[in-house]
Amino acid sequence: AQSVAQPEDQVNVAEGNPLTVKCTYSVSGNPYLFWYVQYPNRGLQFLLKYITGDNLVKGSYGFEAEFNKSQTSFHLKKPSALVSDSALYFCVGLRNTGNQFYFGTGTSLTVIP
Amino acid sequence: DAEITQSPRHKITETGRQVTLACHQTWNHNNMFWYRQDLGHGLRLIHYSYGVQDTNKGEVSDGYSVSRSNTEDLPLTLESAASSQTSVYFCASSGTPDQETQYFGPGTRLLVL
Repeated sequence: AQSVAQPEDQVNVAEGNPLTVKCTYSVSGNPYLFWYVQYPNRGLQFLLKYITGDNLVKGSYGFEAEFNKSQTSFHLKKPSALVSDSALYFCVGLRNTGNQFYFGTGTSLTVIP
Repeated sequence: DAEITQSPRHKITETGRQVTLACHQTWNHNNMFWYRQDLGHGLRLIHYSYGVQDTNKGEVSDGYSVSRSNTEDLPLTLESAASSQTSVYFCASSGTPDQETQYFGPGTRLLVL
């Protein structure tokens, strides 16, 4: 079965410290991978995506993600966390030959001032 | 600016009633999707459409229906609302030139009593 996993429900990090939100995928072929962010009472907002090419993808608000095929991971990173980064983050996979999006269960990030 | 809107933003209804949630996008996207978001499940796909008169069932389609009579709208109908359908519902769209990236509406919070 195809799936995307976010092993941590909650991540806490101090403001100014680097942050990592983990994602692993089990999507066949050469999947497309995405990160979305959801602020309270809002819809999901696109952050970044990996289609092909450079394994390091840069996105909005200073976020980046590294695609690692051997570890089937797509972790979201930011060098210096801001309080305003506190939100719910979703990792999403898509088979490059299909039309089904696979959502992780989300990771709640709290940046502590 | 192009956008995707949902209405109502909040709805309370009773078990057994028919409910319709509206989704309207001005991106001129061919693809539209309905998801529900529940704690511990992330987002789950209910129905999707790849164009006018096209509709497809998603992972959790039982008790829901959609119709696509124009490009801009994909209303979601709960035929006979059940308490298990209490959730937050998100509409999304995607289209050329970036078929893979979905853009989400603000969500509708539905409570079935």
